[in-house]
Amino acid sequence: AQKVTQAQTEISVVEKEDVTLDCVYETRDTTYYLFWYKQPPSGELVFLIRRNSFDEQNEISGRYSWNFQKSTSSFNFTITASQVVDSAVYFCALSEALKGAQKLVFGQGTRLTINP
Amino acid sequence: DAGVTQSPTHLIKTRGQQVTLRCSPKSGHDTVSWYQQALGQGPQFIFQYYEEEERQRGNFPDRFSGHQFPNYSSELNVNALLLGDSALYLCASSPPPQNYGYTFGSGTRLTVV
Repeated sequence: AQKVTQAQTEISVVEKEDVTLDCVYETRDTTYYLFWYKQPPSGELVFLIRRNSFDEQNEISGRYSWNFQKSTSSFNFTITASQVVDSAVYFCALSEALKGAQKLVFGQGTRLTINP
Repeated sequence: DAGVTQSPTHLIKTRGQQVTLRCSPKSGHDTVSWYQQALGQGPQFIFQYYEEEERQRGNFPDRFSGHQFPNYSSELNVNALLLGDSALYLCASSPPPQNYGYTFGSGTRLTVV
């Protein structure tokens, strides 16, 4: 069975600090996809990144970066120079890499609060 | 370009009643998935519709049923509502050939009293 664990329930930092959100996953699949979503107070889940299990290269997008380590089954997300607008709940998710859309298995989420 | 549209945004029902939630997928998307998100929890997969058929189902009782129409829009029906069904119900659509990410709607907040 697939499982995603986000051990940090809540994180609070001061603006401009760097913050890392942890994600650990479990799966017996050899190929899979990992995702990060942001959920602002409005409720919709905003897609941030999808990573294929074969691609362990780290990725940077502006202030966001992702560290995928297959050896430790982790897919951590770092926000550099955090801003108040980054405040939201962040979810890590996992899906099988099969043909056709597959269900997403989500972690419990991490509530990130950036204080001015 | 409209994203995923869900209606209604909020709903209050009495225990034992039935409810229907609606979802219009993003233009060009043909697969619709439904998720239940209890307060403080991550979304849980309910089921997925593709070509008007249920293709995958999560661990939810038969009280939860759905439908997909020829225009790809979808409905989620819940019968015999329980207090524990109170949650945010999220609809997500994905384009062919699928698995390139999902676009989520803002959800329907269902409160059962």
